[in-house]
Amino acid sequence: AQSVTQPDIHITVSEGASLELRCNYSYGATPYLFWYVQSPGQGLQLLLKYFSGDTLVQGIKGFEAEFKRSQSSFNLRKPSVHWSDAAEYFCAVGRLGAGSYQLTFGKGTKLSVIP
Amino acid sequence: DTGVSQDPRHKITKRGQNVTFRCDPISEHNRLYWYRQTLGQGPEFLTYFQNEAQLEKSRLLSDRFSAERPKGSFSTLEIQRTEQGDSAMYLCASSPGVAGYNEQFFGPGTRLTVL
Repeated sequence: AQSVTQPDIHITVSEGASLELRCNYSYGATPYLFWYVQSPGQGLQLLLKYFSGDTLVQGIKGFEAEFKRSQSSFNLRKPSVHWSDAAEYFCAVGRLGAGSYQLTFGKGTKLSVIP
Repeated sequence: DTGVSQDPRHKITKRGQNVTFRCDPISEHNRLYWYRQTLGQGPEFLTYFQNEAQLEKSRLLSDRFSAERPKGSFSTLEIQRTEQGDSAMYLCASSPGVAGYNEQFFGPGTRLTVL
C-alpha cells in the first residue's frame, strides 16, 4: 500500500523568506503526486500536481515542486513567503489501478508566517 | 460559485443518533469521493462513486456507514448509531472524466461532533 510522510508537523518562517516543505512517498509504481493547501474553514485547494514529464512542476500562488524518483520525494518550494500563505499543506499520492482513483494524504505541515 | 458544496457545515449530535450529510459535486463531474479528516491528520479515503456506481469502499467504512449517489448527481453519507470516534470533518470531492487521474475538487466539509 502507498504511504506519504511529511516529516515536519509545524514550520515557522518570516515573511519574505524562502520555504521548503518536505514530502516522501512510498509507492511501487510511478506515482501521481499532489500538493494541496487547506486554510481554516476552507476546503482543500490544489496547488500543483505531477503525473509525468518535467520533474519540476509549477503551481499556483508562486509554488513549485520537484519530483525526485531516486529519493522518493516531492518537496514543495516557494522563494518568498507571504503572510497569506499561512495554512496547512498536504502532500498526496494517487494510485491508479483497478478503477481506483483515491488519494492517500500525509498528515500535513502547518505553516506559520511571522510578519 | 459552482464549486463542491456540502450541507450541513456543522453537525452536533448525541451518541447513538443517526446523521446524514449531503454533497453536491461540480456539475457534470462523473466522480465523487468521500474522505474523513480527524484532528492532526490528513484526509483518509472512505468511498468513491463513478456516476451512480459505488466502485470502492475503504475498510474505514464500517457497517454503520452508508453512502449513495442516486442518479449520479448529489451524494449522501449516512452514519447510523454514531460513536464519539466518528467525530471528524467529512470531506467530499468531485472530479471529471471517465478514465485517467484528474484533479479532485474539494468541498468545505461537514464537521461532525458526537457528544
